[in-house]
Amino acid sequence: AQSVAQPEDQVNVAEGNPLTVKCTYSVSGNPYLFWYVQYPNRGLQFLLKYITGDNLVKGSYGFEAEFNKSQTSFHLKKPSALVSDSALYFCAVRDQSTGFQKLVFGTGTRLLVSP
Amino acid sequence: NAGVTQTPKFQVLKTGQSMTLQCAQDMNHNSMYWYRQDPGMGLRLIYYSASEGTTDKGEVPNGYNVSRLNKREFSLRLESAAPSQTSVYFCASRTDSFPSDTQYFGPGTRLTVL
Repeated sequence: AQSVAQPEDQVNVAEGNPLTVKCTYSVSGNPYLFWYVQYPNRGLQFLLKYITGDNLVKGSYGFEAEFNKSQTSFHLKKPSALVSDSALYFCAVRDQSTGFQKLVFGTGTRLLVSP
Repeated sequence: NAGVTQTPKFQVLKTGQSMTLQCAQDMNHNSMYWYRQDPGMGLRLIYYSASEGTTDKGEVPNGYNVSRLNKREFSLRLESAAPSQTSVYFCASRTDSFPSDTQYFGPGTRLTVL
């Protein structure tokens, strides 16, 4: 079965510093991976996805993610964090067992950026 | 273009009461989903509908029923609410352009069952 793991419940970073939110995956076959962000009292918003091709994927709001097949990881990164980046971040993988209809989400990582 | 809309935004129920959560999308998507979000557990899929007229169980379907009323609307019903169903419920719809498809989420319904 497809799954993703987000090993950190919370990540703290100072504004202006680089940030990394970690995600590892377990899939059979080619992975289709996603990052979503949830701001307080809002629904999830799509940030970026990896389907195939370049291992460095660029997304919204200056975020990028690095796909690493050997380490089965898909870490979310940003070179310089903003206080407004504080939110809950979810990694997800497409569930191939259901004909790719469903996403399987991680448990989420809360990012706190301090001024 | 409103995207995915959900009603109500908040609801408080007593144990045993019933209610229906409404979801509508105006993006002409075939696939729609209902999730619940609980602290420390991420999002868990309750039911989904791959197209009008079809529905399938997700990870946590017990205690829920769904109706895909038409292409736009996908409702979630709690027949006899239980405190364990206290959660935030999200509806989503998905573009059909596999593998480039993306899920779009509504703003959520915060449900408390007393």
